Amino acid sequence: ILNVEQSPQSLHVQEGDSTNFTCSFPSSNFYALHWYRWETAKSPEALFVMTLNGDEKKKGRISATLNTKEGYSYLYIKGSQPEDSATYLCASKSNSGYALNFGKGTSLLVTP
Amino acid sequence: DAGVTQSPTHLIKTRGQQVTLRCSPKSGHDTVSWYQQALGQGPQFIFQYYEEEERQRGNFPDRFSGHQFPNYSSELNVNALLLGDSALYLCASSLSGGYNTEAFFGQGTRLTVV
Repeated sequence: ILNVEQSPQSLHVQEGDSTNFTCSFPSSNFYALHWYRWETAKSPEALFVMTLNGDEKKKGRISATLNTKEGYSYLYIKGSQPEDSATYLCASKSNSGYALNFGKGTSLLVTP
Repeated sequence: DAGVTQSPTHLIKTRGQQVTLRCSPKSGHDTVSWYQQALGQGPQFIFQYYEEEERQRGNFPDRFSGHQFPNYSSELNVNALLLGDSALYLCASSLSGGYNTEAFFGQGTRLTVV
């Protein structure tokens, strides 16, 4: 994998459903993986910064895992709420630079 | 704490013109990065400034230039605007000293080139 890829592109779930998204990234020269949540007309908000293989992080109903050997991360949302509706971006950083390399994002819509 | 602030929020320019976008970093941050998000794409790294120097540059032509001031604020300049430069331009600030430091983003400047 040369670029950061996210799937699905969009997702529509009902309130109370749990959901998950995938982020695939280059595993060579990996240094860190960032997850952002971006609501319309607002700034992207950092959710997690993950660096270690096997890392798991949690913030409220949102959690993320990291597999650096195979180059993927999962973001989970438990019991989705309408306020979770946003675009979720992941970005990888290599150990050879300072740039965040973003995927195109997963757009989540949670309806009551 | 005002966070990262960008100005203007929107602007419209004509092909061939020049534009300057501005960014004030989050209080205490000394590093500023700029990203371009075209429609349907993820943000693309333009460059990063630290200690008033361009520290790293992405795959953007020389028409894109920047500056960082002693107070850590930054400007992005784009010359000879093309229709394809129409995009959302995001500024992110962070603390130097680590690769895994969290980057804080502004709301962006929406540039439309007509």
